Amino acid sequence: AQTVTQSQPEMSVQEAETVTLSCTYDTSESDYYLFWYKQPPSRQMILVIRQEAYKQQNATENRFSVNFQKAAKSFSLKISDSQLGDAAMYFCAYTYTGANSKLTFGKGITLSVRP
Amino acid sequence: DTAVSQTPKYLVTQMGNDKSIKCEQNLGHDTMYWYKQDSKKFLKIMFSYNNKELIINETVPNRFSPKSPDKAHLNLHINSLELGDSAVYFCASSLVTDTQYFGPGTRLTVL
Repeated sequence: AQTVTQSQPEMSVQEAETVTLSCTYDTSESDYYLFWYKQPPSRQMILVIRQEAYKQQNATENRFSVNFQKAAKSFSLKISDSQLGDAAMYFCAYTYTGANSKLTFGKGITLSVRP
Repeated sequence: DTAVSQTPKYLVTQMGNDKSIKCEQNLGHDTMYWYKQDSKKFLKIMFSYNNKELIINETVPNRFSPKSPDKAHLNLHINSLELGDSAVYFCASSLVTDTQYFGPGTRLTVL
């Protein structure tokens, strides 16, 4: 069974600084997607970034980038120039590309941003 | 334009009642999902439908019954509500195995 592990329950970053959120996963599949979702206090689940396993290049979306290490099954999220609006819960998630796919989530990490 | 919408956003009810949550997506996706987020914020899949056909049914009590009248709609009906059903329920949609987009969630409180 696929599992996603986020071992840090909380992190804090100073505004304008850089922070990295860790995620590891376990799967026997070779073709899959990995995601980071952001959940602010409004509880809306917002897609931050997506990585396709077959792509070696790390995904980037503005201030958000990932470090995808397929062999190590590691998928960390780097947030540069942190802003107050980045404060939220962040979930790492995995889905394989076959039939009956579903998102498997990590437990999430609460990120606070200090002004 | 709201991509994935859910109604209601809040639902407060007594134990033993029956309630429904509705979900609609206007993204043209063919697969829809229900997830449950518990009090510890853990998210878990409950059901998924592809083109109105049930394809995933995780270990959910049969008091929960999803219904998909068409590709754009997926409703969740819950019978005989229990205290442990209190949670946030999210609807999501995607194109088969692609990125899932979530609705705003429905916070269900069972008293």
